[in-house]
Order: sequence, then structure tokens, then C-alpha cells
Amino acid sequence: KAGVTQTPRYLIKTRGQQVTLSCSPISGHRSVSWYQQTPGQGLQFLFEYFSETQRNKGNFPGRFSGRQFSNSRSEMNVSTLELGDSALYLCASSLAELVGQPQHFGDGTRLSIL
Amino acid sequence: GNSVTQMEGPVTLSEEAFLTINCTYTATGYPSLFWYVQYPGEGLQLLLKATKADDKGSNKGFEATYRKETTSFHLEKGSVQVSDSAVYFCALSAGGSSNTGKLIFGQGTTLQVKP
Repeated sequence: KAGVTQTPRYLIKTRGQQVTLSCSPISGHRSVSWYQQTPGQGLQFLFEYFSETQRNKGNFPGRFSGRQFSNSRSEMNVSTLELGDSALYLCASSLAELVGQPQHFGDGTRLSIL
Repeated sequence: GNSVTQMEGPVTLSEEAFLTINCTYTATGYPSLFWYVQYPGEGLQLLLKATKADDKGSNKGFEATYRKETTSFHLEKGSVQVSDSAVYFCALSAGGSSNTGKLIFGQGTTLQVKP
């Protein structure tokens, strides 16, 4: 069974640009969550999508947005990039219908802002 | 609010030494608890989980027991190998609509095992 796939693996952007990251979940998983990982703040929850609806959102500015498609694939978008957005962005999928189901992570997209 | 606290790292051990990484949590209700491991340049891999009090999760020689009375979920391994060198994260998943799809992580503990 294929794992969670994130593309691209690496991105370099400049301040003010926007970026779109993609995530394909494990087949059959309908919940997709996104996290930002930085050395200073650690792992922080961005948002979660289930059946094309955002069910939960973390404390990030509106520049961070996402969506989910009917095949459960998800994208996140960051507009007006800032230097502080440099981070590893991780996507995770799960069988959200069952209590206590773990999230399975992709290898992440490393975003660097110049 | 919900939170996870892990012991400060880095932890440096010799091969075949005993490992303990402490993890305590604050949460309302009965959260599910997880340990994840991250190798350089990779995402997080699920190591083990426990969903109710006194459950013991185990995998690849690692164990952790869900202790509700002490709100702890310490990770242990009897004999570490060089290949166990990585960053370990303790995490919780709390119930309720405001916690849907959200894992709360500790700050991570770096383990270095020397031959």
C-alpha cells in the first residue's frame, strides 16, 4: 500500500510570492491534516480536511489556506510569503472515522524563502 | 489547554544501553497517545500508540505504557542500536470537535547512539 506522497520535496521562493503544496493520502484515508515544522516552534497544526470540508484550523494567518478534492488529495497554499514561512510542511492522512486512529505522514515539502 | 512535555535532549547513549525518554501530557478527557520517530530528511513514522489507560504500545523493541494517574507515556527500549539514532516525538490526540484531525506534539528528543 502506497504511503502519503507529498510534492514537491523542495521549493525555493522569494518574499511576496505564493506557493502551492500537494499531498496524496493513503488510499482509503479521507482525513488529511497539515503541519508546519520549524526548529523554533516545533510541529504546529495548520488545518484538517475531511470529505472536501475543512473541519479544524490552527492558529495561522489567513495567508495559509487549503483544500481537498473528491479523491481526498489535498493542497495547501501560502500567499505573500514571508521569511518566517521557511519550514518543513508535513501532510498526514488517517482513517478518521475510527477513534484513536494514528496519522501517517509524508516526507514533507521543504520550503525555503529567500 | 492540551499539551505535551518531553524531556530535554539530546540524549547520548552507547550501543546496547537502556533508553528512557520521558513524556507527560495535559489533556481533558481520555486522549490517544502516540510516539513518532523522525530520521534526517524524512517525515514522521508512527512508532507505537495507546488509546486508553494502562494500554501498552510496543514496536521494534520500543514500549510505552499509558499511565493516566501520572499523565505519562514514557518511551523505553532495553537495548538501543546505532540505527535508533533519530528524533522522537510524543503526541496526543484529544477528543471533541475542536481537536478533530489535530495532533499535539512535544518538542522532540534527539537520540544519538554511539557504537
